[in-house]
Amino acid sequence: SYELTQPPSVSVSPGQTASITCSGDKLGDKHVCWYQQKPGQSPVLVIYQDRKRPSGIPERFSGSNSGNTATLTITGTQAMDEADYYCQAWDSSVVFGGGTKLTVL
Amino acid sequence: QVQLVQSGAEVKKPGASVKVSCKASGYTFTGHYIHWVRQAPGQGLEWLGWINPNSGDTDFAQKFQGRVTMTRDTSISTAYMELSRLRSDDTALYYCARHTSAFDIWGRGTMVTVSS
Repeated sequence: SYELTQPPSVSVSPGQTASITCSGDKLGDKHVCWYQQKPGQSPVLVIYQDRKRPSGIPERFSGSNSGNTATLTITGTQAMDEADYYCQAWDSSVVFGGGTKLTVL
Repeated sequence: QVQLVQSGAEVKKPGASVKVSCKASGYTFTGHYIHWVRQAPGQGLEWLGWINPNSGDTDFAQKFQGRVTMTRDTSISTAYMELSRLRSDDTALYYCARHTSAFDIWGRGTMVTVSS
């Protein structure tokens, strides 16, 4: 079955750029979405179709996808961005990455 | 506003079944697939399957084949997910989510606890 691999954790200082990767075989041939989940809350869509932002999502969130790796980038990271982030793609079914805990310190 | 409202928490014994509901409002229920995703305590997201509210067609993750049923009642804009032969490792928060180009709207989740 298809697998998506994310680093368990990423740390970033406030105001700096955070990059969270998601790896899978020929992932660049698929569309990737990213979800943010804060403690006790439902996931929120932050990026879809690799690089599109839903309305209401700040411009500091961006995405890319090429080769075997998709990347979620948060430019000018803020304390409120501290959360778990999940990538998601379709193979023959829906697949989620294992999640990355972003710490802003 | 567009929202998905889920039913309340459930406690079940091993071997029992649970049925969770997801009521849609603020949009045309039959216009978008509903997916079900679960999250065990402290763990990541796991996809269970989808239902097309218009046709009733379904598709499930292989892991849950034979154990999960998804139905809908279009008259009340509600989707249902039933999981049978519950085990302790089915203890999780079960979410419904609307799919457009992605999972753009999520319910608040229904906690299902399986314990003897």
